[in-house]
Amino acid sequence: SAVISQKPSRDICQRGTSLTIQCQVDSQVTMMFWYRQQPGQSLTLIATANQGSEATYESGFVIDKFPISRPNLTFSTLTVSNMSPEDSSIYLCSVEKGTGGSYNEQFFGPGTRLTVL
Amino acid sequence: QKEVEQNSGPLSVPEGAIASLNCTYSDRVSQSFFWYRQYSGKSPELIMSIYSNGDKEDGRFTAQLNKASQYVSLLIRDSQPSDSATYLCAVGGMDSSYKLIFGSGTRLLVRP
Repeated sequence: SAVISQKPSRDICQRGTSLTIQCQVDSQVTMMFWYRQQPGQSLTLIATANQGSEATYESGFVIDKFPISRPNLTFSTLTVSNMSPEDSSIYLCSVEKGTGGSYNEQFFGPGTRLTVL
Repeated sequence: QKEVEQNSGPLSVPEGAIASLNCTYSDRVSQSFFWYRQYSGKSPELIMSIYSNGDKEDGRFTAQLNKASQYVSLLIRDSQPSDSATYLCAVGGMDSSYKLIFGSGTRLLVRP
């Protein structure tokens, strides 16, 4: 597996502001992912972040709203821009870390709980 | 639209019983299947991976896969109150993006 940390663990923000969430992994990984989980809901993939290339966004998510950086193989950031109360959610990063005969296994960070007032 | 379906529950079982959690998926070419456990307020934790038809056992957990029926299940033997959580089924396809599609989760309640 992998040890993943996220900062901040939680934040309360005012509408119209931006928040950058950091994700740090203890080993080099190719694939990193950013998800959103709204209260009582399942996980929704925002984007896939590969080192050295532009992030790939899922339908309904755009780079202007959720810019992502992936400067190296152990770190990524997700910015939630021009926030509104609808952005209140838990934001999770994950990494793909297949070992041996396994593949596609994803391991999650502890999440960032965002509340927008 | 690729979909993963789960019964939202709650599924309530007495302590010591077998809990059976089910999941169906729509993409016939899916190749990788996962069960995650998520405690309230925590992030998902991978508990089982399965890639080929049949059963895979790990401790009290058994994952079952039937690709012909597009069905994957998780059995939890000797259920404990600490197993009470939401269980998420996730399915991976054949593309190179490594994306997973998650079901909405089944909430399991194990009664002491």
